[in-house]
Amino acid sequence: ETGVTQTPRHLVMGMTNKKSLKCEQHLGHNAMYWYKQSAKKPLELMFVYNFKEQTENNSVPSRFSPECPNSSHLFLHLHTLQPEDSALYLCASSQGGLGTGELFFGEGSRLTVL
Amino acid sequence: GEDVEQSLFLSVREGDSSVINCTYTDSSSTYLYWYKQEPGAGLQLLTYIFSNMDMKQDQRLTVLLNKKDKHLSLRIADTQTGDSAIYFCAVPRGGTGTASKLTFGTGTRLQVTL
Repeated sequence: ETGVTQTPRHLVMGMTNKKSLKCEQHLGHNAMYWYKQSAKKPLELMFVYNFKEQTENNSVPSRFSPECPNSSHLFLHLHTLQPEDSALYLCASSQGGLGTGELFFGEGSRLTVL
Repeated sequence: GEDVEQSLFLSVREGDSSVINCTYTDSSSTYLYWYKQEPGAGLQLLTYIFSNMDMKQDQRLTVLLNKKDKHLSLRIADTQTGDSAIYFCAVPRGGTGTASKLTFGTGTRLQVTL
């Protein structure tokens, strides 16, 4: 248990569906992140939120839409996805400030786009 | 931007030492990290090294940092089957600020054989 919970753990969706991934952190952290993990590729940073404000959008297609209603919750809204979007989506949080910058990851949501 | 490179796969026999290597391009990092991902799980911080150190030892783990060559390595002594996992090297972009922006490598899958 890392203190970061992601739901659902597995999701299968068609290209025309709309679904959302949810992340919740119980660590009192200020920053939250979405990463995409694909086989044989480096982990890709998608979005960063700091105190609920988006501070980075790493050239992510608009079919991925993040939402951060408060510092403890982060969503990734999905619509009209492509098969190449199939991947493991990892949420993470961090304290920020002058610490080591350690990220705490959830277990991920495995997305399959048919 | 930052590039972090790792080999994709390493196989070792139980009881032998494992050495996982990583090269990076940005030399301004304050901390450099090794994360571990076990099957079906998210990433967990395994160890880290501060950039003014060249070696850090923590039980069976030894981290070596060669700043001149921008090379980081992780040595696992007496490798056990429970060490089978994917190991990610991670380097911060822009230092440690309020939000950590880590650049990850592809991960090295360590397979431990009997």
